[in-house]
Amino acid sequence: GAGVSQSPSNKVTEKGKDVELRCDPISGHTALYWYRQRLGQGLEFLIYFQGNSAPDKSGLPSDRFSAERTGESVSTLTIQRTQQEDSAVYLCASSYTGTVGIDEQFFGPGTRLTVL
Amino acid sequence: AQTVTQSQPEMSVQEAETVTLSCTYDTSENNYYLFWYKQPPSRQMILVIRQEAYKQQNATENRFSVNFQKAAKSFSLKISDSQLGDTAMYFCAFMMGGPGYALNFGKGTSLLVTP
Repeated sequence: GAGVSQSPSNKVTEKGKDVELRCDPISGHTALYWYRQRLGQGLEFLIYFQGNSAPDKSGLPSDRFSAERTGESVSTLTIQRTQQEDSAVYLCASSYTGTVGIDEQFFGPGTRLTVL
Repeated sequence: AQTVTQSQPEMSVQEAETVTLSCTYDTSENNYYLFWYKQPPSRQMILVIRQEAYKQQNATENRFSVNFQKAAKSFSLKISDSQLGDTAMYFCAFMMGGPGYALNFGKGTSLLVTP
């Protein structure tokens, strides 16, 4: 079946512009995560959605970052007034329930964001 | 907060040889899980192996095995009979047990398998 998909694959923007990144999770997966991967670094958690519960936004680095999810499907991560330090690969992952620690997270291919 | 440390930024191994990647972590919790992920140049994160902290037996997946030392908070990955396709970044990750916890990743080890 189809895996997690993300679009666009690459995004180049100018400092100060807003960007939207999209994630389509695996069908039936109720949990969805966004991570950020800076060059040469591991992944940093940004935000977590589980079904219709309030999202866990504890990893968002500033109020310029926000995310939404429509039911148990598509999610968009929005970065307003982008800064050069926002340049990174943004990865999305989904899992079946997210209610137990061993649910495997399946990752998308990521969006590489470059802020000039 | 839990931290994951990978002390080897880069490693190299010859094809068919064995290599061990190191990982240590810091936590005061008892219920948690540990993972090794592989990230090839395609950026796709692929789960290699996972270990439940409550299990004493080390996890094994074909050529990949772990040495889980709970008291020492160490979780190393051994790759046997290395193949060229094993060339990738390898990330060690920690996750708390229970609902809704995200993965905490180390900074990664870049592994190069040479002919």
